[in-house]
Order: sequence, then C-alpha cells, then structure tokens
Amino acid sequence: EVQLVESGGGLVQPGGSLRLSCAASGFSFTTYAMSWVRQIPGKGLEWVSSIDGSGDRRYHADSVKGRFTISRDNSKNMVLLQMNSLRDEDTALYYCAKAKGLDTYGDFEYWGQGTLVTVSA
Amino acid sequence: DIVLTQSPGTLSLSPGERATLSCRASQSLRTNFLAWYQQKSGQAPRLLIYGTSTRATGIPDRFSGSGSGTDFTLTISRLDPEDYAVYFCQQYGNTPFTFGPGTKVDSK
Repeated sequence: EVQLVESGGGLVQPGGSLRLSCAASGFSFTTYAMSWVRQIPGKGLEWVSSIDGSGDRRYHADSVKGRFTISRDNSKNMVLLQMNSLRDEDTALYYCAKAKGLDTYGDFEYWGQGTLVTVSA
Repeated sequence: DIVLTQSPGTLSLSPGERATLSCRASQSLRTNFLAWYQQKSGQAPRLLIYGTSTRATGIPDRFSGSGSGTDFTLTISRLDPEDYAVYFCQQYGNTPFTFGPGTKVDSK
C-alpha cells in the first residue's frame, strides 16, 4: 500500500523558514517523480515543486522560485521542501504527491494528508 | 502559463442524473496531459482521470474523460450520492502545472 506522510508544518513568522518532510512507502521510490502541491483551505490547488526520481531535475513555481527548494533522500525514501523567506501568502496546506507515470511529473496518483503551514506575525 | 477555466462553478443534480463538467485551456494541450481530480471536504484530492481519458486505478466506469486541444470534459454517467464533491482539472504537460478553479457538484 502506498503511503505518503507529511510533517514539519507549523506557525512561523514572515521571513522565517520551515522544512517539510514527506515519508514515502509502498512503492519503488527512486522510480517516480515526487511533488509538493499546496491548497489554502477551502480554495484551489497550486503546484509548488517537483523532482525526478534521481533528484537531478527539479522544477519550482515562479511564486516560490529562489525561496523554496525541493530535494529527496533516496536512501530514506523522503522528499523534502526547504522553505525560506516565508510570506503571508505561503499559508496553506502542503501536500506531498507521487506521479503516476514513469516519465511524468504532474499526474498526481497518490497524495498525503497534508501538513499545515501558517505564516503570521 | 496555461490557464484552465472550469464550468459551471456549481452543478446541482439528483442521484442517477448525468453530470457534465467542462474544462477549457488558454492554449492547446499538445500532449493531452490533462487530469481530473475529485476532492471531498477534509480529504486530499483523488486522481480520477489522467491522459485526458484513462481512468485511474479503482475508479468506477461511470466516470469518463474526453476532449482534445483546449476543450475537455468529465462526465459522470449516473450520479451516485458519494460523487458529491469538488472536481478539479489539471494540465501537466508544461510547467507550471496548473489547476482549474473547480466545479462543485452538490445535491439538488
């Protein structure tokens, strides 16, 4: 059974940093791209970042480029999101998601339950 | 960026009725990398359709996807009470991957 479990969310002041983690299990981790997608509760979905199976290719939304960095530790089946220079508008529920295809990034077959990030003074 | 527009915003239907949800892209999706997700309150999204028309694992055959270019449709042939939810379309052919604003299907 595929499981994705996010952690690391919390309350942080504007300008602060957080590191989100996603522990993955139940599939061949290095085979699939992984991503972070966020959602303001009750609102729409926004793709944040994706990384390929090897960790060589990374993509970030313009809204977070230069502030957020996605990475993965294939020895621990973990995906990470380092978030720096946080802004009020980064407040959201952050989901970790697994791609379905072997050579795709954005067809999100499995999702975690999310970790809430609140940026507020 | 590819902007996705969904219509209608809300669809009020009774069980057994047919639901037709529309998703329009601001430019042609050459790869047909278009997905549909269902989200219920308090839950993560669930992948229903990928590649425009392929049902994801475990998705009932009352759900179907179609379309090409800029116009795509999700059809629920006979609405089941468990289908009341918000439905999002998403393109994943080009970064940034983008989602539509959603269509809420609720009870008439």
